[in-house]
Amino acid sequence: QAVVTQEPSLTVSPGGTVTLTCGSSTGAVTSNHYPYWFQQKPGQAPRTLIYSTSNKHSWTPARFSGSLLGGKAALTLSGAQPDDEADYYCLLSYSGARVFGTGTMVTVL
Amino acid sequence: EVQLVESGGGLVQPGGSLRLSCAASGFTFSNYWMHWVRQAPGKGLVWLSRIDSDGSSTTYADSVKGRFTISRDNAKNTLYLQMNSLRAEDTAMYYCARWMVGNEFDHWGQGTLVTVSS
Repeated sequence: QAVVTQEPSLTVSPGGTVTLTCGSSTGAVTSNHYPYWFQQKPGQAPRTLIYSTSNKHSWTPARFSGSLLGGKAALTLSGAQPDDEADYYCLLSYSGARVFGTGTMVTVL
Repeated sequence: EVQLVESGGGLVQPGGSLRLSCAASGFTFSNYWMHWVRQAPGKGLVWLSRIDSDGSSTTYADSVKGRFTISRDNAKNTLYLQMNSLRAEDTAMYYCARWMVGNEFDHWGQGTLVTVSS
């Protein structure tokens, strides 16, 4: 089964920009992996921010955007706010099976 | 209001079995694929399994293939996860989530805790 890798932790200043990435052990991440991005805060269920690379749900703040970057899926947070401090997970699809990334803890400081 | 409510978790001995349920309400359950995801204490999310809208197709993570079985009863609006041969490493919060094109993983349950210990 594939291994999906994310940065363990990132720090961003309030109002700053940070990019999280999601790589696959099988090679380049493409739109055919239908990358998802989830936000999870302590004691809460995950919340989906991005699906199919770059699509947003109605509740996804405009400051979050998804893309493909250098063979990886990417989540960019522009204009970080204290409320964005959380764990972020990507999810990739592999012919029906799904694999979560290792997760990135984002600190807004 | 869309609701997904997991139940069936608890303490079970190694080698034992447990069946989790996910009761759905507020939407047409039979239109959605459903997924199970778990999270061990202090660890990351792990995708376990998915089932298509009529239950005819299922997929599993390698870590649970052969031990866990996903199923659904569309008449009862309920998703299930039968877990056999449980191990200590299966200790986790178990979540269900719904999926449909355009409404992808848009609702999750609050989870049910499974503890495997003697």
